[in-house]
Amino acid sequence: EVQLVESGGGLVQPGGSLRVSCAASGFSFGTYAMSWVRQTPEKGLEWVASIGHGGDHTYYGDSVKGRFTISRDNSRSTLYLQMDSLRADDTAVYYCAQHSGTDMIVLWSWGQGTLVIVSS
Amino acid sequence: IRLTQSPSSLSASVGDKVSLTCQASQYITNFLNWYQQKPGKAPRLLIFDASHLQTGVPSRFSGSGSGTDFTLTITGLQPEDFATYFCQHYDYVPPLTFGGGTKVEIK
Repeated sequence: EVQLVESGGGLVQPGGSLRVSCAASGFSFGTYAMSWVRQTPEKGLEWVASIGHGGDHTYYGDSVKGRFTISRDNSRSTLYLQMDSLRADDTAVYYCAQHSGTDMIVLWSWGQGTLVIVSS
Repeated sequence: IRLTQSPSSLSASVGDKVSLTCQASQYITNFLNWYQQKPGKAPRLLIFDASHLQTGVPSRFSGSGSGTDFTLTITGLQPEDFATYFCQHYDYVPPLTFGGGTKVEIK
């Protein structure tokens, strides 16, 4: 059974940094592309970033480009999102999601999310 | 590309047939997926490539459309189907784009 478990969310001040993680199990992690998607009641679901199965190809949404970094450790079956220069509008539940293969088309499975609050 | 879902919410009864629409601002062939989300839970994939049912999803769910207009139909609404439904567009590389969602509530 596929399991994606996010961790590392919490309260951070504007301008601060936070790294959230996603521990994967139940599938061959290194053969799947992965993504982060965030959600707020106001803006709904917003794609944040994606990474290829080998970690060599990364893509970012315009609102986080230059501030967030997606990475992965296939030996640990873990996905990361390093968030720097955080702003109040980055407050959201952050989900990690597994794609259906090496492509970045369908979000096949999702974690339960981790809440990030940016506030002073 | 923007995805506009309508209605934003609807009320229906158990056993009803409901149709949710997703309109793309440009032609997107069949590059569209549908997800279901219940309160406090992560989204769940229902339909991929506009009309293909994900394994394990009940056959009362169906997807149709191509180009700019897409529909998710639930035939015979069940109590567990009351949720919010999102459409999502993809291309050969990101970005991924989501619609604003349609909330299906109990009448």
